[in-house]
Amino acid sequence: DAGVTQSPTHLIKTRGQQVTLRCSPKSGHDTVSWYQQALGQGPQFIFQYYEEEERQRGNFPDRFSGHQFPNYSSELNVNALLLGDSALYLCASSPKMGRVANTGELFFGEGSRLTVL
Amino acid sequence: AQSVSQHNHHVILSEAASLELGCNYSYGGTVNLFWYVQYPGQHLQLLLKYFSGDPLVKGIKGFEAEFIKSKFSFNLRKPSVQWSDTAEYFCAVTPSGGSYIPTFGRGTSLIVHP
Repeated sequence: DAGVTQSPTHLIKTRGQQVTLRCSPKSGHDTVSWYQQALGQGPQFIFQYYEEEERQRGNFPDRFSGHQFPNYSSELNVNALLLGDSALYLCASSPKMGRVANTGELFFGEGSRLTVL
Repeated sequence: AQSVSQHNHHVILSEAASLELGCNYSYGGTVNLFWYVQYPGQHLQLLLKYFSGDPLVKGIKGFEAEFIKSKFSFNLRKPSVQWSDTAEYFCAVTPSGGSYIPTFGRGTSLIVHP
């Protein structure tokens, strides 16, 4: 049973560029959340997707956008990269809220480490 | 909005020592509480959680945590740590009946010397 998989694992971009990160949720999960984890900090919630729509959003600018596909996989896009966007980007999956299978636990991938130069 | 404070950012212990990591949250209503752990080179994973009932919660690998509502605290404990407990520990909180989108603390780095 595959867990949450993310790609790429590492990438380097320059200021002003755009980046796309990808996530496949754990088998049986249909809800995907994205988090940003800066060095020495805890994960910060970016947004959550299910049924191919953004359902909740944290305090991140519009430069951060996402998408969810019919197979529940998801992408995180960041435009006009800033040095401060350098971080580990985590994807987490769970069953949809309200389902019995949802125990409140999030299942995380290993993350995509983005460095902006 | 809720917030989480973890008091100890770095903890260094010898094997067999006892561990207690502090976690306090700020939120006016009923909450669900979590501890997640990230071992070196691995993904974040759930250590234990509290939703309701017995405020003393037991998790994997001998860890436990106690919810003290009056103190808004959810401290993590282990009576005797092992070298393999070296990891980052994150406390998290969500409002009860909410969306299960946790707010995380900044984490505590635990190093256990053999």
